Amino acid sequence: AQTVTQSQPEMSVQEAETVTLSCTYDTSESNYYLFWYKQPPSRQMILVIRQEAYKQQNATENRFSVNFQKAAKSFSLKISDSQLGDTAMYFCAFIFANDYKLSFGAGTTVTVRA
Amino acid sequence: EAQVTQNPRYLITVTGKKLTVTCSQNMNHEYMSWYRQDPGLGLRQIYYSMNVEVTDKGDVPEGYKVSRKEKRNFPLILESPSPNQTSLYFCASSSGDSYTDTQYFGPGTRLTVL
Repeated sequence: AQTVTQSQPEMSVQEAETVTLSCTYDTSESNYYLFWYKQPPSRQMILVIRQEAYKQQNATENRFSVNFQKAAKSFSLKISDSQLGDTAMYFCAFIFANDYKLSFGAGTTVTVRA
Repeated sequence: EAQVTQNPRYLITVTGKKLTVTCSQNMNHEYMSWYRQDPGLGLRQIYYSMNVEVTDKGDVPEGYKVSRKEKRNFPLILESPSPNQTSLYFCASSSGDSYTDTQYFGPGTRLTVL
C-alpha cells in the first residue's frame, strides 16, 4: 500500500520567516510524481509545486521550494519569506504510473503570525 | 475561465434520502475523480473516470455511485446517505494525457447527513 505521512499537524511561523513542512512516503514504485497542495480557509485546493521523481533537481516556485530525497522517500516543502496569505492547510500528495489516484497525507496547518 | 464547478456547495440532508452532487469541467479533460476530505485523513479517492463510460473504484467507494455519460460531467450519487458520509467532497479533473498531469479541483461540497 502507498502511504503518505505528514508528521506535523500544526506549525506557526512569524511573517517574513521561513518554515519547513515535512512529508515522507512509502512506495515500491520508481516512477511517480510528488505534489504539495495548499488549502486556504476558502477550502479551494491549489497546487503549490510538483516534483518529478526521476529529476534530481529540486523544484522551486517563487518562495516555495522542495527538498526531495528519493532514497529517504522524503519530500519537504520550504516556505521562505512567509506571508499572511500563506496561512492554510498544506497537503503532500503523490501519484505513480500504475495508478491514477492522488494519495494524500493528513495535512499540516500553517499559521503565519503578523 | 478554465474551471471545475460543483453543485451544491453546501447540503444538509437526512439519512436515506437520495442525493446527487454535480461536477462539471470546461477544459475538455478526459480524467475526472471524486475525493472526500475528513479531518486527520487528508483526501481519499472515491471513484475516478478515465473517459466517457469508463469508471473505476478508488479507495472508499462504498455507498457511492458515479456515471460518466458526457466528457464534461461526472456526478456523484449517494443512493441512501448515512451519517458517516458527512464530509467535504471534491471533484477534480486533468487532461489524462499522462497520469502526471496536474489535477484541478472544484471548490468543494460540504455535505451533512443527519
